[in-house]
Amino acid sequence: NAGVTQTPKFQVLKTGQSMTLQCAQDMNHEYMSWYRQDPGMGLRLIHYSVGAGITDQGEVPNGYNVSRSTTEDFPLRLLSAAPSQTSVYFCASSYSPGAYEQYFGPGTRLTVT
Amino acid sequence: GQQVMQIPQYQHVQEGEDFTTYCNSSTTLSNIQWYKQRPGGHPVFLIQLVKSGEVKKQKRLTFQFGEAKKNSSLHITATQTTDVGTYFCAGAKTDSWGKLQFGAGTQVVVTP
Repeated sequence: NAGVTQTPKFQVLKTGQSMTLQCAQDMNHEYMSWYRQDPGMGLRLIHYSVGAGITDQGEVPNGYNVSRSTTEDFPLRLLSAAPSQTSVYFCASSYSPGAYEQYFGPGTRLTVT
Repeated sequence: GQQVMQIPQYQHVQEGEDFTTYCNSSTTLSNIQWYKQRPGGHPVFLIQLVKSGEVKKQKRLTFQFGEAKKNSSLHITATQTTDVGTYFCAGAKTDSWGKLQFGAGTQVVVTP
């Protein structure tokens, strides 16, 4: 099992550019989520999905879109990158939202200039 | 804003010493999880506490869930250099579909 994979590992964008962060898991988990990590802020939930075709907003959803067409994949789209979106992004999956351990991917370090 | 608070934010520990990090929630939690993130790495699950007053041990780590299910602690005895990293607590609330809310973390630095 590869667990949770994320691509790319590093990305530099110019303000206004768009891009998609990829996340995939091979554990057949229904629940997937995206977090951003900023110094001193811990992990903040951006969007989450409780199954294919179902997504919802987390704590900090503005500027991001998600979709879940398959159980395995949960891409995160930045519509028009802003410097405030410079962060480390983690994708996570689990059997259920809060009752089971979250498996995190290795992260994507994004810099917006 | 942040509803799960962790203290201290930083902890410098001499190798061999004990320390404790605390996690406090403004509301009652259905469960609490603890994660460890090594420098440059991703969060890794350590443990989950569900019952009021629950205490669990993992070798030198002792985790406790408060009686009111609003606070938790992680106590590490005889700290080793392998304990370096950031420790996060994450609380799940019963009225929010079990979504986890993470604390800001305690960054632990160990001096040999």
